[in-house]
Amino acid sequence: AQKVTQAQTEISVVEKEDVTLDCVYETRDTTYYLFWYKQPPSGELVFLIRRNSFDEQNEISGRYSWNFQKSTSSFNFTITASQVVDSAVYFCALSDSNDYKLSFGAGTTVTVRA
Amino acid sequence: GAVVSQHPSWVICKSGTSVKIECRSLDFQATTMFWYRQFPKQSLMLMATSNEGSKATYEQGVEKDKFLINHASLTLSTLTVTSAHPEDSSFYICSARDDRDPNYGYTFGSGTRLTVV
Repeated sequence: AQKVTQAQTEISVVEKEDVTLDCVYETRDTTYYLFWYKQPPSGELVFLIRRNSFDEQNEISGRYSWNFQKSTSSFNFTITASQVVDSAVYFCALSDSNDYKLSFGAGTTVTVRA
Repeated sequence: GAVVSQHPSWVICKSGTSVKIECRSLDFQATTMFWYRQFPKQSLMLMATSNEGSKATYEQGVEKDKFLINHASLTLSTLTVTSAHPEDSSFYICSARDDRDPNYGYTFGSGTRLTVV
């Protein structure tokens, strides 16, 4: 069975601080895919990144960066120099190559204060 | 990019009535779509997997007779909440998997906020 754990329920920071969101996953599959989504107050899910299990390269996209460590089954997400617009709920998710169902973590609510 | 249109965005209905929610992939074909439910301050819970031309697969604990899913074409899936009750009030969100890239194409609709009074 797949499982995604986001241990941080809420994080509150002041603008320009860095924020790191933790994600730990469990799966028995050797081929799987990891995702991060942002859910602003409007409710829609905004896709941020996908990683497959064979690609352990870290990635940077603007102020966002991701650290994939297969050895610790973690896929952490960092927002550098946070802004008020980054305030949202962030979900980590996992799917395998069998049924492609997405399993979501509980989500981390990020609040960035001006 | 891939776009999924979901409507209505919000709906208020009386207890005992039925509500239909549509999920449409606008620029790609989706043999498979997924329906999720999200209660306030909680995560997304998968309700069912919708497959074009065949019956939906429901997750454990989801009543198939209450949440009717129809995937009539490669671009449209509908979720009907039958005989709605206040406890069905929730945020329902669909996602469509792009047939061109099944490993990647999870595009989500903007969600439907259902309130049953």
